[in-house]
Amino acid sequence: QQQVKQSPQSLIVQKGGISIINCAYENTAFDYFPWYQQFPGKGPALLIAIRPDVSEKKEGRFTISFNKSAKQFSLHIMDSQPGDSATYFCAATRGSAGNMLTFGGGTRLMVKP
Amino acid sequence: ETGVTQTPRHLVMGMTNKKSLKCEQHLGHNAMYWYKQSAKKPLELMFVYNFKEQTENNSVPSRFSPECPNSSHLFLHLHTLQPEDSALYLCASSQDTRVANYGYTFGSGTRLTVV
Repeated sequence: QQQVKQSPQSLIVQKGGISIINCAYENTAFDYFPWYQQFPGKGPALLIAIRPDVSEKKEGRFTISFNKSAKQFSLHIMDSQPGDSATYFCAATRGSAGNMLTFGGGTRLMVKP
Repeated sequence: ETGVTQTPRHLVMGMTNKKSLKCEQHLGHNAMYWYKQSAKKPLELMFVYNFKEQTENNSVPSRFSPECPNSSHLFLHLHTLQPEDSALYLCASSQDTRVANYGYTFGSGTRLTVV
């Protein structure tokens, strides 16, 4: 499987601030880029996803920015809240071919009150 | 009940014990996965089943033995484990690994401790 590199490994943000997590991929055939959110003691849950035909997707306070030429995508959490404290995983796949997800290494986010 | 359910939630076992983890999905999916999540390697794919057939074994030691009797149930049989096998074991499902495959649904995992 092609690698997906995620940074930073951990992130501390003040309440109300912007959390930014970055991912880079290698396989230009990838056509689906989801982000998963995992709370302690729970499995990862799909948060938001984007396809490469758009450069940005926004759902509430969560936005994915996608740069196809740079093979990078990022998650922005606006007005970060303590309840957003979790581990976030980016992933990529060639979903149209039925390929499995390739996950990034994860980012542990802590939002301080 | 909906989603992906894993039992037990927590398991402590000795190195000579034999135990099994169970996963059940009520989503009508045909593909099921076992992942290992530990502090050092966050998400490691272990096994993949599609329509009850194993399609992927990611070089997993033989002390882990998967079983998929039908598309809704997946087991992971454990025997003679090592302390380094202590981790969160996650089950996931998706529609089908052969066609457009965009969504994984994860269970809450089994926290395994080997003593």
